Amino acid sequence: SSELTQDPAVSVALGQTVRITCQGDSLRNYYASWYQQKPGQAPLLVMYAKDTRPSGIPDRFSGSSSGDTASLTITGAQAEDEADYYCNCRDSSVNQWVFGGGTKLTVL
Amino acid sequence: QVQLVQSGAEVKKPGASVKVSCKASGLPFTRSWVHWVRQAPGQGLEWMAVINPRGDTMVYAEKFQGRLSVTRETSTGTVYMELSRLRSEDTAVYYCTKDNSLHDAAWWFAPWGQGTLVTVSS
Repeated sequence: SSELTQDPAVSVALGQTVRITCQGDSLRNYYASWYQQKPGQAPLLVMYAKDTRPSGIPDRFSGSSSGDTASLTITGAQAEDEADYYCNCRDSSVNQWVFGGGTKLTVL
Repeated sequence: QVQLVQSGAEVKKPGASVKVSCKASGLPFTRSWVHWVRQAPGQGLEWMAVINPRGDTMVYAEKFQGRLSVTRETSTGTVYMELSRLRSEDTAVYYCTKDNSLHDAAWWFAPWGQGTLVTVSS
């Protein structure tokens, strides 16, 4: 089965731009989705189909994909963006889905 | 707007089974594929399984084969996740979430249930 690799932790200064990446072979065939999770809360969808934001997600969140890597970019990070971020994709080698290990975003 | 509501927290002994339910209010849920995802304390999200609307097609993550059963009531769309032969490592929050897809190229999970904490302890 395939894996999705994320950096365990990333930090960004308040108001600056940060990119969170997700790498895996399945991303060559399928688009990633991205989830934000704050302590004690259920995950929240923030991006899907490469660059589509659900209703209610601020436009400072954007998505992109190239080759085996998907990215979630926050332009002008806010304190409330501090959270864990997970990517997910269908596993092209088996009929299953897989999550990345998650990236803990700290806003300084 | 669809909201998913899960059953309450459970405490189980090692070797026992647990069954968690997931029901929806709002838009029709009976036509939706539904996934189960779990999260152990301090750990990441782990995909477990998916079930189709008719309840006759289930796909399980390899590590749960033989221990996990996902079913649903077709009349109400309520989905159940039953994990057997529990061990301490199964202590986690279990989530149900609705499948969404586009052109067999993109899948995403929304909304999510509130989560059900299952504690396995002797």
